[in-house]
Amino acid sequence: GQQVMQIPQYQHVQEGEDFTTYCNSSTTLSNIQWYKQRPGGHPVFLIQLVKSGEVKKQKRLTFQFGEAKKNSSLHITATQTTDVGTYFCGSSGTYKYIFGTGTRLKVLA
Amino acid sequence: EAEVAQSPRYKITEKSQAVAFWCDPISGHATLYWYRQILGQGPELLVQFQDESVVDDSQLPKDRFSAERLKGVDSTLKIQPAELGDSAMYLCASSNRDKGNTIYFGEGSWLTVV
Repeated sequence: GQQVMQIPQYQHVQEGEDFTTYCNSSTTLSNIQWYKQRPGGHPVFLIQLVKSGEVKKQKRLTFQFGEAKKNSSLHITATQTTDVGTYFCGSSGTYKYIFGTGTRLKVLA
Repeated sequence: EAEVAQSPRYKITEKSQAVAFWCDPISGHATLYWYRQILGQGPELLVQFQDESVVDDSQLPKDRFSAERLKGVDSTLKIQPAELGDSAMYLCASSNRDKGNTIYFGEGSWLTVV
């Protein structure tokens, strides 16, 4: 069945350093969404990518959808302590919505 | 901005008791999901509704869990009897095909079974 893996599982960075999480699928994705979940909170929708090679930016966050639509990345420039949380990718597959395994980011001040 | 409403936010119950969670999705969203999230893990789909019909409940422990969405709007998830391993956050979410099936989550209901 369709699987979506995220790497790394955990990442600790110093405040000000950059951070990237990668989402990889075994099959072609029709779209990809990214969510952020703060500790103790619920997943919050960040962005959706649909087109092959699409790149979108939200302030310090850059989202990219691969040319083959099998992978995606989220890059944070100059992390801040407010970026702490778990970042999930997700995709609406043929029959069900699939979440990635998540990357937990810790930012050290 | 419209939100998915859930209640209660927090629930402590003794094992073998019954517990119920309620969800009101974003208005107009045809698809409603119940997820369970254990601390440190990603959301696990329990049941998915399209309007009032169940389209996926393959991961729902049907011996103790039940879910309904009788009028295709709000939904209830019930656990009876609760077990210690049911302690988790129960997330309700909704989506609409017109919005690219992006899933919007409620704030979740934290369940502790003692």
